[in-house]
Amino acid sequence: DAGITQSPRHKVTETGTPVTLRCHQTENHRYMYWYRQDPGHGLRLIHYSYGVKDTDKGEVSDGYSVSRSKTEDFLLTLESATSSQTSVYFCAISNLWDSGNTIYFGEGSWLTVV
Amino acid sequence: KNEVEQSPQNLTAQEGEFITINCSYSVGISALHWLQQHPGGGIVSLFMLSSGKKKHGRLIATINIQEKHSSLHITASHPRDSAVYICAADYGGSQGNLIFGKGTKLSVKP
Repeated sequence: DAGITQSPRHKVTETGTPVTLRCHQTENHRYMYWYRQDPGHGLRLIHYSYGVKDTDKGEVSDGYSVSRSKTEDFLLTLESATSSQTSVYFCAISNLWDSGNTIYFGEGSWLTVV
Repeated sequence: KNEVEQSPQNLTAQEGEFITINCSYSVGISALHWLQQHPGGGIVSLFMLSSGKKKHGRLIATINIQEKHSSLHITASHPRDSAVYICAADYGGSQGNLIFGKGTKLSVKP
């Protein structure tokens, strides 16, 4: 199993509060991703990182920010949580190969905003 | 827009049956991934393929580049195969982003 850990795994928070989810990898993979998974949707990309301090927006980035100060850590922050951000959040890592990328997922973080 | 469509959305089978899950994508890709998600949430990569066929145990994945279609087959299905199976297309962007299907929920009854 790839060494990816997400924390916290479960969190309930109130509307308007800030929340930070952490993804930690021990694989030294270059690329890190944050996805959210909601009923009726496939996994959707929030933000991704292609190196330390190098990040970019994904499909559903509004209301989220990220930071990557070290290769092994990728943080996702909800500056002011809303009920629409109740979701399951998955971190993933990969290294690109000429024929595509092999991707590994964390165990998920269940976030409920009340 | 790059899209990935899976069918069926839900599938119930009896133990021992041969199962096929289909995935189609809209434009050329560099690779196609099949993933498995068990109840409880963890997602595991089963296959990554760009052409032909791959086999691992009772699982077989095929891809037809001309028809923009991939299939995941499970032979001699077992209740422990019950999970959500997700296909994801790598459209070859420099960031390695994937476009995911909505998943096929498989339930295998004993």
